[in-house]
Amino acid sequence: DAGITQSPRHKVTETGTPVTLRCHQTENHRYMYWYRQDPGHGLRLIHYSYGVKDTDKGEVSDGYSVSRSKTEDFLLTLESATSSQTSVYFCAISESTGGNGYTFGSGTRLTVV
Amino acid sequence: GNSVTQMEGPVTLSEEAFLTINCTYTATGYPSLFWYVQYPGEGLQLLLKATKADDKGSNKGFEATYRKETTSFHLEKGSVQVSDSAVYFCALIPLTGFQKLVFGTGTRLLVSP
Repeated sequence: DAGITQSPRHKVTETGTPVTLRCHQTENHRYMYWYRQDPGHGLRLIHYSYGVKDTDKGEVSDGYSVSRSKTEDFLLTLESATSSQTSVYFCAISESTGGNGYTFGSGTRLTVV
Repeated sequence: GNSVTQMEGPVTLSEEAFLTINCTYTATGYPSLFWYVQYPGEGLQLLLKATKADDKGSNKGFEATYRKETTSFHLEKGSVQVSDSAVYFCALIPLTGFQKLVFGTGTRLLVSP
């Protein structure tokens, strides 16, 4: 494996609560990404990071925030979880701007009840 | 904008049958193209890639050729196995602007003995 781990693997939370998902890498890659996977939509980019403290929005960023205080960690926070955020969340890393593709974590299945 | 279109699934085949999963793309310039595979309960794994026109990516018996004239990158395998049952994603990275991976919606392949 490429040294990328996500935690937790599964989580059930209640509507309105904040939730933080963690992505940790041991590859020292500069670029990190958060995607969500939903039936019929494939994977959609939520946020990405191009360095420590450097982040930007993807196509479905509403209701999410991210932080990257260290190269190895990229946190995704759902500020106030809603049922529409029930999904599988994947973190990915790339060493350059992605010309060789990304390496993905195993995912976090989040259920908001 | 940049987008990827894949054939709807599921694709259901018997073992040793020939597989084709269609993928077409829209992008400015000449993107890099990828196929990823997702086995049940797992993250995405890079299956193969091609970075310029007429390149053929190949891995584990799967092949795909970058066709600029038809903007296509169809995935093929001559003889599928039960273990190939998975979801297959076509994706591109544009070469203009920040290179974020753009996915198709995925095609589920079911192979029966």
